[in-house]
Amino acid sequence: RKEVEQDPGPFNVPEGATVAFNCTYSNSASQSFFWYRQDCRKEPKLLMSVYSSGNEDGRFTAQLNRASQYISLLIRDSKLSDSATYLCVVSSGGGADGLTFGKGTHLIIQP
Amino acid sequence: NAGVTQTPKFRILKIGQSMTLQCTQDMNHNYMYWYRQDPGMGLKLIYYSVGAGITDKGEVPNGYNVSRSTTEDFPLRLELAAPSQTSVYFCASTQQGTGNQPQHFGDGTRLSIL
Repeated sequence: RKEVEQDPGPFNVPEGATVAFNCTYSNSASQSFFWYRQDCRKEPKLLMSVYSSGNEDGRFTAQLNRASQYISLLIRDSKLSDSATYLCVVSSGGGADGLTFGKGTHLIIQP
Repeated sequence: NAGVTQTPKFRILKIGQSMTLQCTQDMNHNYMYWYRQDPGMGLKLIYYSVGAGITDKGEVPNGYNVSRSTTEDFPLRLELAAPSQTSVYFCASTQQGTGNQPQHFGDGTRLSIL
């Protein structure tokens, strides 16, 4: 059974701090990895793809550890607008139904 | 650029009623998906389609039906609404399979069955 596990939080973090959270996946054949952001009562939106070499997009850094089967998301200099639920998404690449969503990590940035 | 459009945004149904959730995309994407998201849970795949005329079951297809007569439209049908189908429904699309392509989501339809 394909599973993606995340700490649901909430993570309460002061504005300006750095926060990181991980996501573990059980399917060793997983090929593609994404972080999506979901605001309350809104649709998920792609935050960033996660590449094997790690990648950075402004204040956001994503890392992949295939050996331990986890991906991470680091947010530096957190803003109030970063408050959201962050969904870890993993694809086995084996077909159109190969996308598995984690339940999400709830992040609250406090002023 | 509208992207993925879902209608209605909200709906309340009585047990046993039927309805169709509409989804259309203007990006000429081949792949389309229907998910449901219960409170505090991840998205669960209901049905998906890899192109016009082709549909297949996802993880939680029971109680639902779909059709894909055109590339743009992928409606989801509830024939006999049950309280367990109270959820938020998201439609999504992508140009190719999910291997390397992120999905574009509609705004969602919030459905309550009473």
